[in-house]
Amino acid sequence: DSGVTQTPKHLITATGQRVTLRCSPRSGDLSVYWYQQSLDQGLQFLIQYYNGEERAKGNILERFSAQQFPDLHSELNLSSLELGDSALYFCASSGTGTLGTDTQYFGPGTRLTVL
Amino acid sequence: GDSVTQMEGPVTLSEEAFLTINCTYTATGYPSLFWYVQYPGEGLQLLLKATKADDKGSNKGFEATYRKETTSFHLEKGSVQVSDSAVYFCALSDRYSNSGYALNFGKGTSLLVTP
Repeated sequence: DSGVTQTPKHLITATGQRVTLRCSPRSGDLSVYWYQQSLDQGLQFLIQYYNGEERAKGNILERFSAQQFPDLHSELNLSSLELGDSALYFCASSGTGTLGTDTQYFGPGTRLTVL
Repeated sequence: GDSVTQMEGPVTLSEEAFLTINCTYTATGYPSLFWYVQYPGEGLQLLLKATKADDKGSNKGFEATYRKETTSFHLEKGSVQVSDSAVYFCALSDRYSNSGYALNFGKGTSLLVTP
């Protein structure tokens, strides 16, 4: 168990809808990252937050947004969903631990299915 | 930009065989290098890490050495078990401006170990 929690585990929705994925980082970690894993694109970095501030942006679509709250949990909002958004979405956190501040620990993921 | 290339799988080995999964990287600086493992239906688990040239990361019998001269970080294990069957990802820590960073992953190598 990495200490990173994600909810929900599974999400099934329809095209055009909006969903919110939630992540709680490991205790003491200030950085949260979001990744998308799909069969055709592999693991793609979406966005990083550090203590509430956006720090790095990867291949995140304009229809997607994220934020990190004062209690350090983060939410990833996906809107106007398309079939191609079906994927596993992982959250990771970093900051504490003996392996350095750039070592990321991953949650179990949220599997999103868009029908 | 920085990138990681892994050998394509699937790799099928008999129990107790020697494992090598090749990984090479392209980077302008000196990123940290990682191996993560994903068991079926689960999230990514950190396997090992190395931060500088000639560093060797090791965990659970797996080893990888950061080779700057060949820009490689090959994963090895002397004797694999059926329980090692999983997908293995090589990754590097990609630095962004504004002190952000993210993991840049290879496509993953599927390993199947048969009794």
